[in-house]
Amino acid sequence: GDSVTQMEGPVTLSEEAFLTINCTYTATGYPSLFWYVQYPGEGLQLLLKATKADDKGSNKGFEATYRKETTSFHLEKGSVQVSDSAVYFCALRGSTGAYGNKLVFGAGTILRVKS
Amino acid sequence: DGGITQSPKYLFRKEGQNVTLSCEQNLNHDAMYWYRQDPGQGLRLIYYSQIVNDFQKGDIAEGYSVSREKKESFPLTVTSAQKNPTAFYLCASSNEAGVGTDTQYFGPGTRLTVL
Repeated sequence: GDSVTQMEGPVTLSEEAFLTINCTYTATGYPSLFWYVQYPGEGLQLLLKATKADDKGSNKGFEATYRKETTSFHLEKGSVQVSDSAVYFCALRGSTGAYGNKLVFGAGTILRVKS
Repeated sequence: DGGITQSPKYLFRKEGQNVTLSCEQNLNHDAMYWYRQDPGQGLRLIYYSQIVNDFQKGDIAEGYSVSREKKESFPLTVTSAQKNPTAFYLCASSNEAGVGTDTQYFGPGTRLTVL
């Protein structure tokens, strides 16, 4: 079945450092790919998405490119801030129609940014 | 403001009791979902509903029940049959049922603790 694998955390960075959180997936067909962010005690917020190969999603300085050849959707940001500290989830929605719009999530990566 | 509301934010339950978690959306979305989140894990789908008066089991439906009598409401009951109910529960909705590229939007979550 479909699955998502994220790099384990926590990831600890200093302010203004470059961020990469790796995400790879296994899916049949052509899934849509998402990054969600969760701040402490809150629900998930959509950060960015990409719906087809070579698409680049971007928002708030974060970017991720849908790479079908490597089945990856790595999240990057050029200069992190303390306010970026959160849990980041990579997710996919398969194109086969099973479970409607069901999302398959990775385990999440904790990001801690120090000032 | 359009969005998804969940109540209560925190819920405590004694063993052997059923509890119902509320989820309401005013986004006019057709599809609604319930996920469970445990520490260090991704989200797992409990139930989903693509239209009113219809719902389907997700990956971990045992010990849970739902109803979908109105488009805007999708309550989740955690029954006494659920062996390990302590978790963070997230409700989501999306505009398009079935295969598509639309996004799921999440509520703020309910943290359930069994005493």
